[in-house]
Amino acid sequence: AQSVTQLGSHVSVSEGALVLLRCNYSSSVPPYLFWYVQYPNQGLQLLLKYTTGATLVKGINGFEAEFKKSETSFHLTKPSAHMSDAAEYFCAVSEGTNAGKSTFGDGTTLTVKP
Amino acid sequence: DGGITQSPKYLFRKEGQNVTLSCEQNLNHDAMYWYRQDPGQGLRLIYYSQIVNDFQKGDIAEGYSVSREKKESFPLTVTSAQKNPTAFYLCASSALLSGQETQYFGPGTRLLVL
Repeated sequence: AQSVTQLGSHVSVSEGALVLLRCNYSSSVPPYLFWYVQYPNQGLQLLLKYTTGATLVKGINGFEAEFKKSETSFHLTKPSAHMSDAAEYFCAVSEGTNAGKSTFGDGTTLTVKP
Repeated sequence: DGGITQSPKYLFRKEGQNVTLSCEQNLNHDAMYWYRQDPGQGLRLIYYSQIVNDFQKGDIAEGYSVSREKKESFPLTVTSAQKNPTAFYLCASSALLSGQETQYFGPGTRLLVL
């Protein structure tokens, strides 16, 4: 069985500050991990994914995430927040190559203050 | 432009009515999915189809039905048996990239029961 916990349903940062969105997972096999972004009334867009190999994954829009097996974490970071980063972010875990069988977290809403 | 289209963007349903949500993709993807999203929650899988004329129930299939007569189309019917249909519905398709499936999402349909 697989599960995802996103710590903090709302995160607020100032423009230019570090963004840190937390995600912890549970999986009975080596996981595949994803971060998606969703803007209001739109579908999800893939930010980045971890499958195998390098544990630091770089994605679009300057985001990156690090897979830490010992901590069962896959936190999303961005060094400097931009106003356009305000959105909802979802972490997801899959126990196989089928992304459609992913389990999604409840989401974290990121607010960026000017 | 390739992509996934969902229509309508907003849909109102009277209690006891069946309604059908459209999902079309021109990405030539074999697999397609339907998810339901409720406020403050992640996505939950309703149905998925990995090939034409074949589909499987997801985690919350009760009160829903689908068909997959064409590769490009995967309509979802919300039946009167679905007691709490008000939600945001997302369709997705997926492709195999570098050994890992990557999902692409449509813009969603918001269903409201009157």
